Amino acid sequence: NAGVTQTPKFQVLKTGQSMTLQCAQDMNHEYMSWYRQDPGMGLRLIHYSVGAGITDQGEVPNGYNVSRSTTEDFPLRLLSAAPSQTSVYFCASSYGTSGTGELFFGEGSRLTVL
Amino acid sequence: AQKVTQAQTEISVVEKEDVTLDCVYETRDTTYYLFWYKQPPSGELVFLIRRNSFDEQNEISGRYSWNFQKSTSSFNFTITASQVVDSAVYFCALSEAEYSSASKIIFGSGTRLSIRP
Repeated sequence: NAGVTQTPKFQVLKTGQSMTLQCAQDMNHEYMSWYRQDPGMGLRLIHYSVGAGITDQGEVPNGYNVSRSTTEDFPLRLLSAAPSQTSVYFCASSYGTSGTGELFFGEGSRLTVL
Repeated sequence: AQKVTQAQTEISVVEKEDVTLDCVYETRDTTYYLFWYKQPPSGELVFLIRRNSFDEQNEISGRYSWNFQKSTSSFNFTITASQVVDSAVYFCALSEAEYSSASKIIFGSGTRLSIRP
C-alpha cells in the first residue's frame, strides 16, 4: 500500500544546477499537487494538476516546472536551483478533480541549495 | 483571493489542559471546504477533518472537536485533556469550490503546539 511516493528524500544541489523531484501515486487520483514548507510560512502551493496533460500554477510557481504525462506521476523540475529554493517539498494527491477532497501526502523531500 | 490565517504561531500547555487552535479564513465563494492537518515531529502530514461550507454543525472525535462559525469566518480546533502525543504542528486549509472547476488548497502558516508533561 504505497500511497504517494517521493524521491529523493534528501538532495544537496549547488546554485544553478537542475534536478527533478519525483512523485508517484498508486491510488488512481486525478488531483496532484506540490507544496513547499518553510519555517513560519506553512505549506505553500507551487503547482497542481487535475489530470494527465493539465497543470496550473499555485501560489509560488516561479523557478519550478511541472508536467503530467500520466495519472500516476507528477514530477517537479528545478531548472536552475537557487538558495531560496532550499526547503522541504511535499507532493500530495486527492480523489476527484475539484481539489476539495482530503490530501494524501508523500513523506517529503528535503532540498538544500548551496 | 482565498486566505487562511493562523495567528497563534506557538502554543505551550501542560498535559491535561484544554487548548484551542484558531483558524480564520477569507473567501469570496459561498461553497468551500475547510480542513485541518497534523504534522507530528516525525514530519508526515496527517489529515484530521474536512468540512464543507454548508455544514455548520460542530464535530467531535474523541478528544478533538471543531467549531465552524461562518459569521466570524472561523474554523477552530479544540483538544480536550491534551496529551504529550498531541505535540505537533497543526495546519488549517481552505479550498474554494464555486468559481473554478479545479481548486487550489491553500494552507495557513501553522500553529506549533507543545504539550509539557
